[in-house]
Amino acid sequence: EDQVTQSPEALRLQEGESSSLNCSYTVSGLRGLFWYRQDPGKGPEFLFTLYSAGEEKEKERLKATLTKKESFLHITAPKPEDSATYLCAVQAGNTDKLIFGTGTRLQVFP
Amino acid sequence: EAGVAQSPRYKIIEKRQSVAFWCNPISGHATLYWYQQILGQGPKLLIQFQNNGVVDDSQLPKDRFSAERLKGVDSTLKIQPAKLEDSAVYLCASGVNIGTYEQYFGPGTRLTVT
Repeated sequence: EDQVTQSPEALRLQEGESSSLNCSYTVSGLRGLFWYRQDPGKGPEFLFTLYSAGEEKEKERLKATLTKKESFLHITAPKPEDSATYLCAVQAGNTDKLIFGTGTRLQVFP
Repeated sequence: EAGVAQSPRYKIIEKRQSVAFWCNPISGHATLYWYQQILGQGPKLLIQFQNNGVVDDSQLPKDRFSAERLKGVDSTLKIQPAKLEDSAVYLCASGVNIGTYEQYFGPGTRLTVT
């Protein structure tokens, strides 16, 4: 069964303290791995799509990387406005559905 | 560019009542998805449409849930009768087409069943 596991469940950082979020997956025929950000009371906001091992993408203070078994979301010098839940999802096989992990709740304190 | 619109934003009903949610996707997007997000979990796909046809409804509880996308644009999701375990946020998403494209989500409808 396709599965996505995110860790840690929650992360508290001081402003400027860099860290990484992990997304490990077990799927048959990965087609894409997606990172989303979700603020309380809102729908997920698309951040990145990664298609193959070795691929990296960056946006402001965020950098996503992909290996054959996991993806990392690196946050460099975070700011309080980066506080949110970060969701990882995979698309695999012959279906378009996104299989989501349970997310990492990030809090950045000034 | 306008995003995915959903209404209502909040709904409280008693168990065994019925409820309907509405979604208007991003203009020009062919695919439309309904996801259910239970508190503390990631979204789970309920149904996917390509234009006005169903692509995947394997995880839709068809004894109580139904969805339609008439004319290939707006969509409605209905629950009848509702159960306590249906309390969740119902998210609508749209995508350019079938395939590995990003899906854009609406704000969701928070349903509470008492």
